[in-house]
Amino acid sequence: QKEVEQNSGPLSVPEGAIASLNCTYSDRGSQSFFWYRQYSGKSPELIMSIYSNGDKEDGRFTAQLNKASQYVSLLIRDSQPSDSATYLCAVITNAGNMLTFGGGTRLMVKP
Amino acid sequence: GAVVSQHPSRVICKSGTSVKIECRSLDFQATTMFWYRQFPKQSLMLMATSNEGSKATYEQGVEKDKFLINHASLTLSTLTVTSAHPEDSSFYICSASSGEAGGTDTQYFGPGTRLTVL
Repeated sequence: QKEVEQNSGPLSVPEGAIASLNCTYSDRGSQSFFWYRQYSGKSPELIMSIYSNGDKEDGRFTAQLNKASQYVSLLIRDSQPSDSATYLCAVITNAGNMLTFGGGTRLMVKP
Repeated sequence: GAVVSQHPSRVICKSGTSVKIECRSLDFQATTMFWYRQFPKQSLMLMATSNEGSKATYEQGVEKDKFLINHASLTLSTLTVTSAHPEDSSFYICSASSGEAGGTDTQYFGPGTRLTVL
């Protein structure tokens, strides 16, 4: 079992819709959770971090964390074609300060 | 805030030469820097972790004599690919964190360096 799992996609949504990206992790002691966006040929860009159970909103983005179920999700409201990218879920496990990445979910927002 | 730069952004070299990549944190002190490699359509692979003033910790399977890492200051880390070969061609990305305690250590990524070895 991979430590951090994501559906590779592609996830296709129409412009203006809500895109829902999901991620599960195996280390129950994980404390820190991050969502990064990576455009093709570019490096990852931090979207959000979340540390506590519940929702955290930042503009069109909402991160949701459920430690009991060991999943973290990212909602993108009013999706735009410019949101089309690969979204990487990353977790800092209990073992230290290294990020463990999921394989990424490719999102396609169609005009 | 939290800007990380890398130089060069792109390099093409002949097989057998060495290439140095610089990673700088521009507006914060990075106690820890990380070096990743990414092949096309794959996720990031952590190569090594470096802390300022100490030797880097390499991940399993990464040759420390081939990928030399120096973290001489709180704002600069360098990765030198020695005697590069075509199979070393990849996208190399650094990240930096300020070393906040308690496991809430956000990593900020540089723009990456695309290395092509002929």
